[in-house]
Amino acid sequence: QVRLVESGGGIVQPGRSLRLSCAASGFTFSSYSMHWVRQAPGKGLEAVAVLSYDGVKKFYADSVKGRFTISRDSSKSALYLQMNNLRPEDTAVYYCARESVMGGSPGSYFQHWGQGSPVIVSS
Amino acid sequence: IVMTQSPATLSVSPGERVTLSCRASQSVSSKLAWYQQKPGQAPRLFIYDASTRATGIPARFSGSGSGTEFTLSISSLQSEDFAVYYCQQYHNWWTFGQGTKVEIK
Repeated sequence: QVRLVESGGGIVQPGRSLRLSCAASGFTFSSYSMHWVRQAPGKGLEAVAVLSYDGVKKFYADSVKGRFTISRDSSKSALYLQMNNLRPEDTAVYYCARESVMGGSPGSYFQHWGQGSPVIVSS
Repeated sequence: IVMTQSPATLSVSPGERVTLSCRASQSVSSKLAWYQQKPGQAPRLFIYDASTRATGIPARFSGSGSGTEFTLSISSLQSEDFAVYYCQQYHNWWTFGQGTKVEIK
């Protein structure tokens, strides 16, 4: 079955960096667009970055543009989120999620989610 | 595109029928999904393309609407249905509503 497992979260000071990883299994990773979605404590869901199945198309929410970078390594079935210049408002649980449609440009709903990795940005 | 859900909280008794609303600030066609989230868990896909149930979702859940107005209905609320429900549009980027909490009355 499809499995997504995030790791790399933790407590970090403002201005520092952190890299999240998402290990995928149970499907052909190189065929699907992948997302990072975050949820601040007690708040709703925010899509922050998406990467097409082939790694060519990348899109970011305005709130993270220029600070976060999404990437993937299909040889390892892994998705990454490099987060630089972190701010207290980046504090959230970060989920990786897989779209429903194979190939093509990103643009579908999130069929599968990981369990999340918490990130706390605090001095 | 801003998604607005109402009400913020619904207090209902098991067995009751409930209807959750979701409004988009502009048309999203039928590119609307509903997710359920329980405390400490990841969201789970329930409805996509406005009205199609995801795999394993009971028939008591139904979605309807198109354009800017959408609803999620639960015909007879079961104990496992008490949770927060989010709508999401995927017509232009991906944005979520703020959620509706369905709680036990």
